[in-house]
Amino acid sequence: NAGVTQTPKFRILKIGQSMTLQCTQDMNHNYMYWYRQDPGMGLKLIYYSVGAGITDKGEVPNGYNVSRSTTEDFPLRLELAAPSQTSVYFCASSSDFLPDTQYFGPGTRLTVL
Amino acid sequence: AQSVTQPDIHITVSEGASLELRCNYSYGATPYLFWYVQSPGQGLQLLLKYFSGDTLVQGIKGFEAEFKRSQSSFNLRKPSVHWSDAAEYFCAVGDTGKLIFGQGTTLQVKP
Repeated sequence: NAGVTQTPKFRILKIGQSMTLQCTQDMNHNYMYWYRQDPGMGLKLIYYSVGAGITDKGEVPNGYNVSRSTTEDFPLRLELAAPSQTSVYFCASSSDFLPDTQYFGPGTRLTVL
Repeated sequence: AQSVTQPDIHITVSEGASLELRCNYSYGATPYLFWYVQSPGQGLQLLLKYFSGDTLVQGIKGFEAEFKRSQSSFNLRKPSVHWSDAAEYFCAVGDTGKLIFGQGTTLQVKP
């Protein structure tokens, strides 16, 4: 049972490039989340999904897009990378809304130069 | 707006000493409260959570936390710290299905 997996672990992008951060969970959870963590800060919610085909914005959605075509996968897309998007990105999943536990992936460290 | 404050950015304790990490929240209703731990290079792991009932909550790895409504606090405690507890600790409040995190407290453990 792998839980929540994220790829890649590390990535360096140039300003203006695009990329997709992958997130997969094998726990059959309906709810999935993307967070970013900046140095010295807590995590901030970017987008979340309550099931396949249903997504909604979180606290800091600008510059990102998501889709949820299957229960297992919740990719995060950066269309035009900017230095402000340099961060560590965490994907999480839960079987239900709070107070159900959210399970986190190991993170993707992204640097935009 | 809902918020979480962890007043201590960095704490150092000696191995075997007791630990208390502070967390204050701002939330209008009865909150869902969480403590997560993040080891270096790892994702977050849930230590414990409170959503109703007994205000003293037991978690994994020997941690406990106490919900005090009158003080809007949810402090994390451990009676005897181990070197492996060195990590970053996050307090969070649940708000309409989403987690709002504090800025975190880094725990360093001295031998």
